[in-house]
Amino acid sequence: GAVVSQHPSRVICKSGTSVKIECRSLDFQATTMFWYRQFPKQSLMLMATSNEGSKATYEQGVEKDKFLINHASLTLSTLTVTSAHPEDSSFYICSAVRGWETQYFGPGTRLLVL
Amino acid sequence: GENVEQHPSTLSVQEGDSAVIKCTYSDSASNYFPWYKQELGKGPQLIIDIRSNVGEKKDQRIAVTLNKTAKHFSLHITETQPEDSAVYFCAAGFNAGGTSYGKLTFGQGTILTVHP
Repeated sequence: GAVVSQHPSRVICKSGTSVKIECRSLDFQATTMFWYRQFPKQSLMLMATSNEGSKATYEQGVEKDKFLINHASLTLSTLTVTSAHPEDSSFYICSAVRGWETQYFGPGTRLLVL
Repeated sequence: GENVEQHPSTLSVQEGDSAVIKCTYSDSASNYFPWYKQELGKGPQLIIDIRSNVGEKKDQRIAVTLNKTAKHFSLHITETQPEDSAVYFCAAGFNAGGTSYGKLTFGQGTILTVHP
């Protein structure tokens, strides 16, 4: 149990386009999900906390108008990178909290902006 | 806010040896300490966690110890195998237990290499 999926696993897009990444908890409901960004050989950087039915809470320095988060249901959160630029290229990982106790991560999405 | 320091940044051991990774945290309110294993190109996988009301927890070859007074916790892997090679992250956070879930602060990661 405790499976979290992400789609797509990798995406290549042109500069200026928007990209949507989906995060789903497959076998449990998650009131809270998190979105992280990870650069090569670095730790996970929390971008925002996504709560079902309410606005996301963004970490300091993260542009909320650029990284749009929607937590439409207890099993789905989406991250949309708007007007993507090469510096947005990164590994994006979501996680979902099960039972108010444990955070489970998705497999990640590799974004490359040309 | 919480600050988590993790050491060493790299660790190389021979197959069958033990590996120990240590973390310290700064916020005494933190009460939840998970460890994650991340393989190349994949998301982190929870391998073990401990809560502040417990001093030690073991799951087969993996164990975690917590010293609340000193604010440090450690991951112990015994009888290491090549498939244990990965990046390991410690984390600390506050969990109110059924009413809210606080965000985790991660350590910098340890690259563990187990040589056959």
